[in-house]
Amino acid sequence: QITLKESGPTLVKPTQTLTLTCTFSGFSLSTSGVGVGWIRQPPGKALEWLALIYWDDDKRYSPSLKSRLTITKDTSKNQVVLTMTNMDPVDTATYYCAHRILGGPNFDYWGQGTLVTVSS
Amino acid sequence: QSALTQPASVSGSPGQSITISCTGTSSDVGGYNYVSWYQQHPGKAPKLMIYDVSNRPSGVSNRFSGSKSGNTASLTISGLQAEDEADYYCSSYTSSSYVFGTGTKVTVL
Repeated sequence: QITLKESGPTLVKPTQTLTLTCTFSGFSLSTSGVGVGWIRQPPGKALEWLALIYWDDDKRYSPSLKSRLTITKDTSKNQVVLTMTNMDPVDTATYYCAHRILGGPNFDYWGQGTLVTVSS
Repeated sequence: QSALTQPASVSGSPGQSITISCTGTSSDVGGYNYVSWYQQHPGKAPKLMIYDVSNRPSGVSNRFSGSKSGNTASLTISGLQAEDEADYYCSSYTSSSYVFGTGTKVTVL
């Protein structure tokens, strides 16, 4: 059974760096074809894809946020970490991590999400 | 990289069929057979309903089907049920990244 869970601060100040951790079970991020992505959703708004890391450590980022994002994995701990620099109130959102299957943006298992508020 | 365009809302009566469109460009929807659809109920995480244009994950009802023509992908829900009332998002691969749609609220009348 695949599960994922996001963890990190619920409140960050403007200009600070956000660090979120996705801890998963039921699969290995060293298995060929596997990926873990991050998606966010501002309150009442649409989903926005942020980043993806593959089993072979290939990394992809949203072009509009690429300069602010870093995604890494720790296969031994079954964790994926996303950092986002220079946080702004518009970054207030629920942040999800999700397991990706082969092909396109096929996120078949999602975490429960964590709400991050950016405010001074 | 702009969000894919979806109608803000679609409604139908129980038992009817509805179709949600997802319009992109030749750089995303039209360029790859990599379109997915998600269902999201309020306060819940999204659920994958269709992947790679027209494939259903195990456990998803066959009332849900996907297709694509040119730069527009579509999700059809047949035999509409009260439980189908939710937000729906499309997503596409595009030049080494992904993009989501603007979202569609489905209302069962």
